[in-house]
Amino acid sequence: EIVLTQSPGTLSLSPGERTTLSCRASQSLSSSYLAWYQQKPGQAPRLLIYGASSRATGIPDRFSGSGSGTDFTLTISRLEPEDFAVYYCQQYGSSPRTFGQGTKVEIK
Amino acid sequence: EVQLVESGGDLVQPGGSLRLSCAASGFTFSTFAMYWIRQAPGKGLEYVSAISTNGDITDYANSVKGRFTISRDNSKNTLYLQMGSLRPEDMAVYYCAAGNAVFDYWGQGTLVTVSS
Repeated sequence: EIVLTQSPGTLSLSPGERTTLSCRASQSLSSSYLAWYQQKPGQAPRLLIYGASSRATGIPDRFSGSGSGTDFTLTISRLEPEDFAVYYCQQYGSSPRTFGQGTKVEIK
Repeated sequence: EVQLVESGGDLVQPGGSLRLSCAASGFTFSTFAMYWIRQAPGKGLEYVSAISTNGDITDYANSVKGRFTISRDNSKNTLYLQMGSLRPEDMAVYYCAAGNAVFDYWGQGTLVTVSS
């Protein structure tokens, strides 16, 4: 099974700042089958990015994804108050699908 | 509007069984693969199981293989998860999700508590 390791565990930031979240896979992901999800407290996760870099429907362009092989990043260009949440990466190129452990983006 | 509504979560003793349901509306259910994902209290997301559009292909996480069975009824727009030999570590909010590669749409989850 592919293990996804996210870093850092927690980011303390202020609104307006730019941030980059990392996701590293234990083996190369076929065809960049990597997605990112956002989860706020008490809510279900929401799909942000698929195919490593494609934004899902309705996702603002301040969210961007990049990477290939084993190293992937999610960048939020300018943090809005509603962006403080937990972010998970997930691979879907290999069975079983797996998630990273999450990165919490909190208000400084 | 896409809606996924889970039900069936309950308190069950270790070793017991439970069946979860997920009622779908607002999209053509039979054209989407369906999934179960769970989240233990205060923990991250864990993939549980997947089923293809017509139900002929299923997939399970190693942690539930042989104990859980996923199924669907396209005539009723409903997804199921039959859970058996439940363990304390199965305690979680169980989400159903729809998508054809990634988890595009999510329900709000149903809580399964495993405790004596």
